[in-house]
Amino acid sequence: GAVVSQHPSWVICKSGTSVKIECRSLDFQATTMFWYRQFPKQSLMLMATSNEGSKATYEQGVEKDKFLINHASLTLSTLTVTSAHPEDSSFYICSARDPGLGNTEAFFGQGTRLTVV
Amino acid sequence: AQSVTQLDSQVPVFEEAPVELRCNYSSSVSVYLFWYVQYPNQGLQLLLKYLSGSTLVKGINGFEAEFNKSQTSFHLRKPSVHISDTAEYFCAVSGLGGTYKYIFGTGTRLKVLA
Repeated sequence: GAVVSQHPSWVICKSGTSVKIECRSLDFQATTMFWYRQFPKQSLMLMATSNEGSKATYEQGVEKDKFLINHASLTLSTLTVTSAHPEDSSFYICSARDPGLGNTEAFFGQGTRLTVV
Repeated sequence: AQSVTQLDSQVPVFEEAPVELRCNYSSSVSVYLFWYVQYPNQGLQLLLKYLSGSTLVKGINGFEAEFNKSQTSFHLRKPSVHISDTAEYFCAVSGLGGTYKYIFGTGTRLKVLA
């Protein structure tokens, strides 16, 4: 099946610094990728839809200047948390659909645990 | 717009007993339906999906779900659970097409007791 890989799996950073999370589709090309945020013991909340070659579409309430998304190629989308603060600590998950499988099912990365100290 | 409701936040069940995790959805368009399992600090693993056709869908690890259009439900069942089934389970709905986003339910914590 299609594989989506996230890197890093976990990261600790100092408050005020920026962190970049990568999401790659390993064996398929994804024109659309999705970024989610998950707080402890809660569901996944969609942050934004990443579109290859164009600007991301952010969900209401998500700061686009805070969470920069770049989808520069058909196999890579990045999420950069700028000027991170402790409240940005969370579990971030990306997903992508495989057009070769009819865009029916999304495949998820293994997630990135971000801790801001 | 779509929405998903998982009524049970936690479901405790004894090992080898049957379990049902409930999921109801609302949508003004046709949808795909999914159940995912998440283990601590991990991503989501697909258990099963309903795209079209037979309303009874069988998935991995002995799970199955039934799509009921009239009741807008997609409940997940397993006839006999194992300790290893302890995890968080998410129901999700998506419109048809590659750009449609997934909407997740709030999740159900299944705890299998010895």
